[in-house]
Amino acid sequence: DSGVTQTPKHLITATGQRVTLRCSPRSGDLSVYWYQQSLDQGLQFLIQYYNGEERAKGNILERFSAQQFPDLHSELNLSSLELGDSALYFCASSVGPSSYEQYFGPGTRLTVT
Amino acid sequence: KNEVEQSPQNLTAQEGEFITINCSYSVGISALHWLQQHPGGGIVSLFMLSSGKKKHGRLIATINIQEKHSSLHITASHPRDSAVYICAVSPSYKYIFGTGTRLKVLA
Repeated sequence: DSGVTQTPKHLITATGQRVTLRCSPRSGDLSVYWYQQSLDQGLQFLIQYYNGEERAKGNILERFSAQQFPDLHSELNLSSLELGDSALYFCASSVGPSSYEQYFGPGTRLTVT
Repeated sequence: KNEVEQSPQNLTAQEGEFITINCSYSVGISALHWLQQHPGGGIVSLFMLSSGKKKHGRLIATINIQEKHSSLHITASHPRDSAVYICAVSPSYKYIFGTGTRLKVLA
């Protein structure tokens, strides 16, 4: 158990809908990272927050947004969902803003039908 | 050409064999990570390296910054080592992943 929690574990929704994925980092970790893993694209970095501020942006679509709250939990919002958004979404946390070991959550499996 | 290349893509070994997985990258980095993804999907961070060599139990990771190359070695491999091993590099604050090496260790 990494200490990082993600909810929900599974999510099935229809195209065009909007969903929110939630992540709680390990106690004491200030950084949260979001990753997408699809069958055809592998793991991709989406976005990083450090202590409530956006730190780095990767291949995150404009239909996706995220935030980190004062209690350090983070939410990833996915809107206008398409079939191609079906993937595993991982959250990870680390103590510092970069070059620190990351601890991964169990992931949320999103299926868009 | 991908910025992070891993080899081999697939590897089957007999229990007890010494295993090497390679990662080459083409960008300047501040750190390199080795991750292990189990068949159930969970990801565990094995190593974070910025220079030299690190060892945890039967796992050893090395990095050569000048040659932009890293290797992950598994000594005395065991069926429980069967997983996908992923190399990731971080140029500044972003992360770029290799496509992974699928390892199967047979008893």
